[in-house]
Amino acid sequence: QSVLTQPPSASGTPGQGVTISCSGGSSNIAVNTVNWYQQFPGTAPKLRIHNNDRRPSGVPDRFSGSKSGTSASLAISGLQSEDEADYYCAAWDNSLNGYVFGSGTKVTVL
Amino acid sequence: EVQLVESGGGLVRPGGSLRLSCAASAFTFSNYCMTWVRQTPGEGLEWVASISWGSTFIYYVDSVRGRFSISRDDAKNSLFLQMNNLRAEDTAVYYCARSLGIGNHYFDYWGQGTLITVSS
Repeated sequence: QSVLTQPPSASGTPGQGVTISCSGGSSNIAVNTVNWYQQFPGTAPKLRIHNNDRRPSGVPDRFSGSKSGTSASLAISGLQSEDEADYYCAAWDNSLNGYVFGSGTKVTVL
Repeated sequence: EVQLVESGGGLVRPGGSLRLSCAASAFTFSNYCMTWVRQTPGEGLEWVASISWGSTFIYYVDSVRGRFSISRDDAKNSLFLQMNNLRAEDTAVYYCARSLGIGNHYFDYWGQGTLITVSS
């Protein structure tokens, strides 16, 4: 059971937008930054958003992140088939003294 | 190009031991904190352990504390995970990842992972 809660799935047609939520608590998201990772089957996760809303070099601006209180979100606009993957949020937890990951959201491009 | 390459995975019986390695290249290894993250087949990601620069700070998830030991050899650009008293629930793909710090930091590069199967 993950400390951070994400919906198991999200979907959209090409060109549409999709938003993934990540719900945490007072010891993680509320006080620490949130990062988002994309993972394709059989491959390692890749960083997509760091420090709540920063895009690493090379990540399309279709990806955006936000945080408010104990929740964070990853939005993908102009959905493309190559965006079909699993997405995980993550943050440091001050109570557990460790990183916590979300349960993961599978994004499907219909 | 930054590379992290894990090795040491395999099949081990419950109660057995295994030592994972992560070889780093194309960056100044000693300047980075390193972390092990695991993923049970078909499931989500779970943080396992992190080690700071100079091995000053070390953190473990509760489920492995006392059984696993993370270490690093900066001279050899390598990260290790000594896994003892392995259990079936430790079966997973183990990834190493780097970050500039521990806490409010992110993993910008990950290895491709090595599979550990704990089974009799």
